[in-house]
Amino acid sequence: DADVTQTPRNRITKTGKRIMLECSQTKGHDRMYWYRQDPGLGLRLIYYSFDVKDINKGEISDGYSVSRQAQAKFSLSLESAIPNQTALYFCATSAGQGWGEQYFGPGTRLTVT
Amino acid sequence: GQQVMQIPQYQHVQEGEDFTTYCNSSTTLSNIQWYKQRPGGHPVFLIQLVKSGEVKKQKRLTFQFGEAKKNSSLHITATQTTDVGTYFCAANSGGSNYKLTFGKGTLLTVNP
Repeated sequence: DADVTQTPRNRITKTGKRIMLECSQTKGHDRMYWYRQDPGLGLRLIYYSFDVKDINKGEISDGYSVSRQAQAKFSLSLESAIPNQTALYFCATSAGQGWGEQYFGPGTRLTVT
Repeated sequence: GQQVMQIPQYQHVQEGEDFTTYCNSSTTLSNIQWYKQRPGGHPVFLIQLVKSGEVKKQKRLTFQFGEAKKNSSLHITATQTTDVGTYFCAANSGGSNYKLTFGKGTLLTVNP
């Protein structure tokens, strides 16, 4: 879905470095999400935002922070990267009320060495 | 937090065979969604089920929501190589702890 874009698509970084993953959407959705995918563990919610002034922790927020710069932009930061944060990260959006259909971006593959 | 169990974890079939994946929750769900993720791709929404006992079909795919709204299944008839991927359920419990919880997925491989 080109409507949700993520940058970078791949990133290798070293332990202790700060890194930011960016997500932009042109779908006009208020709701945005960050998920982490690890093999065999499915998708786990890191943070979510229902509008520009609303930020909420998901089930695995420790070690992460987010910024909702605008309706269309939602960034995820790793303050001090560690190897077990190596994973595939997805941004998603949804429209309307409740936890509706999630539109996922292409993902960012992050490796922490 | 809410637990969503999805089985099996893996399923390998011969092309033309049927496939079913199951999703089970310990709590009553508000609704359930199904997603497909092709290898190297991102999850793509397939369907949402809301009503108790609901059955929906999309070509060879049949989705069911249990009468008690605690379980769901996705059945593919006569699999094709294009069905390869990981199928996830995502359960929505509603209430004050209103979040979408994904199952761990079922990886389907199809031997041509």
